[in-house]
Amino acid sequence: KQEVTQIPAALSVPEGENLVLNCSFTDSAIYNLQWFRQDPGKGLTSLLLIQSSQREQTSGRLNASLDKSSGRSTLYIAASQPGDSATYLCAVRPWGTGGFKTIFGAGTRPFVKA
Amino acid sequence: GAGVSQSPRYKVAKRGQDVALRCDPISGHVSLFWYQQALGQGPEFLTYFQNEAQLDKSGLPSDRFFAERPEGSVSTLKIQRTQQEDSAVYLCASSQLAGGDNEQFFGPGTRLTVL
Repeated sequence: KQEVTQIPAALSVPEGENLVLNCSFTDSAIYNLQWFRQDPGKGLTSLLLIQSSQREQTSGRLNASLDKSSGRSTLYIAASQPGDSATYLCAVRPWGTGGFKTIFGAGTRPFVKA
Repeated sequence: GAGVSQSPRYKVAKRGQDVALRCDPISGHVSLFWYQQALGQGPEFLTYFQNEAQLDKSGLPSDRFFAERPEGSVSTLKIQRTQQEDSAVYLCASSQLAGGDNEQFFGPGTRLTVL
């Protein structure tokens, strides 16, 4: 059974430092992995989608890597800003299960101190 | 608007009442998902539609939960005889293609509180 874990649940960094957010999953049989941002009381905003055949994706200050063999993905946010404070969720789309389920981690909530 | 919309944004129900939650996906999107998100947790998959066909309902927690998408666009999630444990945020997402393995776009959610 696929499980997605994000540790730590929360962290604090000073403004300007790079943010490093971790995601691990137990089964490497995935179609893709997606990173989302969620602000309090809001829905999810898609940040990056990494297909199974890809090793990384980049968008502006964001970079996400994918290592299927070790079951890990890392989201890097360069030069963090107070506005980056939110909850970041990763999600995997398993294949081979016959279903259409996407499995989410519980999220990591960084606080960027001005 | 160009995004996914959901209504109502907030719903308070007395235990035992039936509720209906609406999702308007991005126009032309083939795939539609419903998720349930408890406080402090990631979303949990409920069900998946490809156009009007409900291809996966493995995440629906009980037979009190029912979803439909009769014309392949707007979807409704219905919960009968609500219980306190149904209190959560219900999220809808859509994606452009069939199969569910491409980027998902989420609505703002409906926060359901069952008293």
